Amino acid sequence: AQTVTQSQPEMSVQEAETVTLSCTYDTSESDYYLFWYKQPPSRQMILVIRQEAYKQQNATENRFSVNFQKAAKSFSLKISDSQLGDAAMYFCACVQGGSEKLVFGKGTKLTVNP
Amino acid sequence: DVKVTQSSRYLVKRTGEKVFLECVQDMDHENMFWYRQDPGLGLRLIYFSYDVKMKEKGDIPEGYSVSREKKERFSLILESASTNQTSMYLCASRNTVSTNEKLFFGSGTQLSVL
Repeated sequence: AQTVTQSQPEMSVQEAETVTLSCTYDTSESDYYLFWYKQPPSRQMILVIRQEAYKQQNATENRFSVNFQKAAKSFSLKISDSQLGDAAMYFCACVQGGSEKLVFGKGTKLTVNP
Repeated sequence: DVKVTQSSRYLVKRTGEKVFLECVQDMDHENMFWYRQDPGLGLRLIYFSYDVKMKEKGDIPEGYSVSREKKERFSLILESASTNQTSMYLCASRNTVSTNEKLFFGSGTQLSVL
């Protein structure tokens, strides 16, 4: 069975600084996909970034990038130039290829200090 | 933009009541999901549906049932609500072009069972 572990229940960062959120996962499959979702206080979950396991290149989306270490089964999220609007719960998730069952981590609450 | 609408943002019910949580999506997505979100536990999959009248159990289906009579609507049913079902319930949908398609979430229903 898949598992996703987020070891940091809470993190904080100063506005304009960089922060990295950690995520490790465990799967026996070679075909899988990884995601970071953001849940602001409005509760509307939105996709931040996704990574296909077969791609070696780390995904980037504007100020958001990942450090995908396949051998270590690590998938950390880096947020550069942090903004107040980045304050939210962040969830790491994994799904095996061909499956519908997306498995989420327990989440990391990010606070951005002005 | 895809819209996933959950009928209630907050709901208060009594122990033993039958509770219906409704979810509607407007993008003709095949797959729909019900998750439960609890602090410190992340999101856990209750049920999902991959077509009208088709459903599959997730990781925590006990005490819940679902109904999907129309493609756009997916209902979660608590046959006899209990206090341990007090939680945030999130509905999501996605299309099935590929496994890495993102989930679109509703804004959640915070259910309190007294």
